[in-house]
Amino acid sequence: NAGVTQTPKFRILKIGQSMTLQCAQDMNHNYMYWYRQDPGMGLKLIYYSVGAGITDKGEVPNGYNVSRSTTEDFPLRLELAAPSQTSVYFCASSTGTGIQETQYFGPGTRLLVL
Amino acid sequence: LAKTTQPISMDSYEGQEVNITCSHNNIATNDYITWYQQFPSQGPRFIIQGYKTKVTNEVASLFIPADRKSSTLSLPRVSLSDTAVYYCLLYNFNKFYFGSGTKLNVKP
Repeated sequence: NAGVTQTPKFRILKIGQSMTLQCAQDMNHNYMYWYRQDPGMGLKLIYYSVGAGITDKGEVPNGYNVSRSTTEDFPLRLELAAPSQTSVYFCASSTGTGIQETQYFGPGTRLLVL
Repeated sequence: LAKTTQPISMDSYEGQEVNITCSHNNIATNDYITWYQQFPSQGPRFIIQGYKTKVTNEVASLFIPADRKSSTLSLPRVSLSDTAVYYCLLYNFNKFYFGSGTKLNVKP
């Protein structure tokens, strides 16, 4: 199993551009999450999904959109990139089968908005 | 979800036992206490999780007092490779909230 994969690893965007961060997991997990981590800070939850077709906002959803058409994929969309979105983005997944959950994280995508 | 409070940083030496305490005064009945480890440029990695009393696995122990308002992660005999940021968080159903974590620096 590859676990959680993310692409791209690094991207530079100009202000106002849009892009999609890709996330895929091959563990048949129901739950998937997107976090952002600013330098020296902890992770903040952007969006999460409890299954295909179901998504919900986390702590910092503004400026982002998500979709979950399959169990495996959970892309994160930035429509109008702003310098404040410069961060490292982590995707994670968990089984969603019980009250004790372990999240498995991807390697992250570094995004720089200039 | 209730917040957690941890020391910003800690120093230790190789071979010592390290205890990192986390405060969570507003923990809810259904919250589980979870610890993650994060190395630079990597995603967090699960270490241990518990609800009450003591939990032990191959890498760490987690001590939770009866009132559950705090928890202590114990790392036995740390090595240089344990230098990382350690996050304490409360898990409730499908949401995790990470604080700023504790940066552990292990010295030779």
